[in-house]
Amino acid sequence: QQQVKQSPQSLIVQKGGISIINCAYENTAFDYFPWYQQFPGKGPALLIAIRPDVSEKKEGRFTISFNKSAKQFSLHIMDSQPGDSATYFCAASWVGGATNKLIFGSGTLLAVQP
Amino acid sequence: NAGVTQTPKFQVLKTGQSMTLQCAQDMNHEYMSWYRQDPGMGLRLIHYSVGAGITDQGEVPNGYNVSRSTTEDFPLRLLSAAPSQTSVYFCASSGRLAAMSYEQYFGPGTRLTVT
Repeated sequence: QQQVKQSPQSLIVQKGGISIINCAYENTAFDYFPWYQQFPGKGPALLIAIRPDVSEKKEGRFTISFNKSAKQFSLHIMDSQPGDSATYFCAASWVGGATNKLIFGSGTLLAVQP
Repeated sequence: NAGVTQTPKFQVLKTGQSMTLQCAQDMNHEYMSWYRQDPGMGLRLIHYSVGAGITDQGEVPNGYNVSRSTTEDFPLRLLSAAPSQTSVYFCASSGRLAAMSYEQYFGPGTRLTVT
């Protein structure tokens, strides 16, 4: 049973456009929602993360929007650049449960065309 | 700091062989974990450890063993390799949850092929 569902599988955006990736989760115990960025041949790296006590978090061109009642969260990349082309994973964890077991979505392959 | 290191980078095994994937971190992190990455399935947790001497199972533990004798090292053992274990394996570490150190740092991965 997949506890974190991610869409779309792939996304093509023009340079300067907005990239939007969506995730939905099932377990209401989750209390930490990170987004990871992965370039080919590399390990994932944390991009931005949010806790459920806020509805939005912004870091530069990257924004997480969080809807606790709908159990959904999304990543917005403003002014997308070719260097943003990578695979993006959403994830969820229950850090209040004294572990840091990340449950990942299936990933979105983003291509930003120049 | 080297961060999280993994060896080997690539490995080819025959069905039934055993091997150990090495993982080390130099950040004095308490929490370490192993994930496997397969196309279209994201990363799935195999085993994790909340400190030296303490390990537990993740989502897909069958066919794998771990141990944590030191804070720095967290090796993953494949007991009898099967083609279904062909995957890219990532080790990750993070600091103390009590210190709100939630970020997991991933190693560069080991690409394993079982024939």
